[in-house]
Amino acid sequence: DAGVTQSPTHLIKTRGQQVTLRCSPKSGHDTVSWYQQALGQGPQFIFQYYEEEERQRGNFPDRFSGHQFPNYSSELNVNALLLGDSALYLCASSFGTGAYNEQFFGPGTRLTVL
Amino acid sequence: KNEVEQSPQNLTAQEGEFITINCSYSVGISALHWLQQHPGGGIVSLFMLSSGKKKHGRLIATINIQEKHSSLHITASHPRDSAVYICAVPTQGGSEKLVFGKGTKLTVNP
Repeated sequence: DAGVTQSPTHLIKTRGQQVTLRCSPKSGHDTVSWYQQALGQGPQFIFQYYEEEERQRGNFPDRFSGHQFPNYSSELNVNALLLGDSALYLCASSFGTGAYNEQFFGPGTRLTVL
Repeated sequence: KNEVEQSPQNLTAQEGEFITINCSYSVGISALHWLQQHPGGGIVSLFMLSSGKKKHGRLIATINIQEKHSSLHITASHPRDSAVYICAVPTQGGSEKLVFGKGTKLTVNP
């Protein structure tokens, strides 16, 4: 049983470009949450997808958008990249949306914006 | 909004020592998560607990809901325990969003 997978593992972009990150949830899970983790900080919640809709959103600008597909996989899109968007982007899957559901994390995508 | 504070920020121990990492939060919750993050970024969920104590191998997690405090203990620490340990709680009340502490970086020397 594959756990949560993310692609790509590393990515280098320049300011102003757009990026798409992908996440496949653990088998049987229907909810995907995305987090941004800056160096030396804890993860920050970006948004959560359930039933192909954005259910919750953290304090991130509209440049951050996402999508969930019928197979529960998800994409995170970031437009007009800024240097400050450089971070590790983590996705986590769970069965159900509650904060008390155990979340399984992927290995992350490390984004560097030059 | 729930604020999460972890202590210490950094911890260095000798192999075999007993380790304690603390987590305090500001808003009442019903459950708390402890996570482990190894170099390279991968995060593993260690515990989710809502009361009392949970044990898994050499790891023990306790929580005091009234005092808004949780501790993670590692008995007979080993170099492979070296990682960042993060606690996370719902932002407030029944929120579905988690807010994370900054983590405690643990280094266990042989």
